[in-house]
Amino acid sequence: EIVMTQSPATLSVSPGERATLSCRASQSVSSNLAWYQQKPGQAPRLLIYGASTRATGIPARFSGSGSGTEFTLTISSLQSEDFAVYYCQQYNNWPPSWTFGQGTKVEIK
Amino acid sequence: EVQLVQSGAEVKKPGESLKISCKGSGYSFTSYWIGWVRQMPGKGLEWMGIIYPGDSDTRYSPSFQGQVTISADKSISTAYLQWSSLKASDTAMYYCARMPLDTYYMDVWGKGTTVTVSS
Repeated sequence: EIVMTQSPATLSVSPGERATLSCRASQSVSSNLAWYQQKPGQAPRLLIYGASTRATGIPARFSGSGSGTEFTLTISSLQSEDFAVYYCQQYNNWPPSWTFGQGTKVEIK
Repeated sequence: EVQLVQSGAEVKKPGESLKISCKGSGYSFTSYWIGWVRQMPGKGLEWMGIIYPGDSDTRYSPSFQGQVTISADKSISTAYLQWSSLKASDTAMYYCARMPLDTYYMDVWGKGTTVTVSS
């Protein structure tokens, strides 16, 4: 099983600042990596797929980068609505044994 | 509007059976996979398995193989997740999500079904 490790577990950021979240895979997943945002009491929402492609309707302040085993989600200028938990997920293998990271909580500093 | 509408919250006793549903609308149901994701209270997301409604090809996470059954009825655009004998440890929120056929990120999610198993 591919293990996805996110860091940090919690990120304290002031509104307007930049946030950088990391996701590391235990083996290469190519660019088959997605990022999701989950707010309390809500379902997850797709932000990024293919490691760097923004999903429909996602603001340009969200960007993804990386390939292989190292990935980054950057939120360029945090808005109040961006405080949430962020998960990465690899979908590289077939038959599927896809895995999520444990999540990074972005909280208000 | 593309939607996945999940069935309502369930409260069950250990040993009981349960089938929850996920109904797709606003798109061609057989043009996407449907996946299921578990979120235990206060915890992260766990991928459980997927089904292609076109031919009911089903794949399970090794962690959930034999523990649940995923099925679909394409005539009513609905996917299902079922248990034959619930345990307290099945208490969780369960989400369904849509995935494109040739790449497997989850682009549309249902709102989730809460399952509580308690004696």
